[in-house]
Amino acid sequence: DAKTTQPTSMDCAEGRAANLPCNHSTISGNEYVYWYRQIHSQGPQYIIHGLKNNETNEMASLIITEDRKSSTLILPHATLRDTAVYYCIVRSPRSNDYKLSFGAGTTVTVRA
Amino acid sequence: DTGVSQNPRHKITKRGQNVTFRCDPISEHNRLYWYRQTLGQGPEFLTYFQNEAQLEKSRLLSDRFSAERPKGSFSTLEIQRTEQGDSAMYLCASSLEYRGGSDTQYFGPGTRLTVL
Repeated sequence: DAKTTQPTSMDCAEGRAANLPCNHSTISGNEYVYWYRQIHSQGPQYIIHGLKNNETNEMASLIITEDRKSSTLILPHATLRDTAVYYCIVRSPRSNDYKLSFGAGTTVTVRA
Repeated sequence: DTGVSQNPRHKITKRGQNVTFRCDPISEHNRLYWYRQTLGQGPEFLTYFQNEAQLEKSRLLSDRFSAERPKGSFSTLEIQRTEQGDSAMYLCASSLEYRGGSDTQYFGPGTRLTVL
């Protein structure tokens, strides 16, 4: 019951912005969009999340379309250490919806 | 501000043995989750605790698996009579219940189990 669709892989040049798309066309009104990444053999790392408005933190920016059916994670200046699998997840804060449902994610390779 | 810690980081065991993993969540986080990740796949949910109560268990959690969180702080995950198919990374995450929106789960480094 995949709720999100992401490209399998993408390359990015070091120092350039990396734009990672995610489609979540069946998102419901109270579901948040979360982004995590997982560097090889490590636990997933939280990046950012949002509901309707665009969000920015020290790691990335999250742009959510007005209809909320898709979003883009932006890494403003990719470095080699940003090479990882990036997961886009939708999740409701309802009290009985606890888990994160990870899909296959996007394997991002940052090249020098 | 220490993150989620898990011990051991690696465990190699023989088929049929029992193993136990420990997770220490971020201090004051009342929610704790266990996930399992096999090679090439995303993490899959196993079970969830709110304080000391185990509120949800995945169908992946067979009767050989048991998880506890006795005092609402650290948690243990035990696998009895391990099988080769149990070889995986076992991940723990914690979060602080947030009634005003959505809580964020923070993950530990994982315990990699290899069953020979």
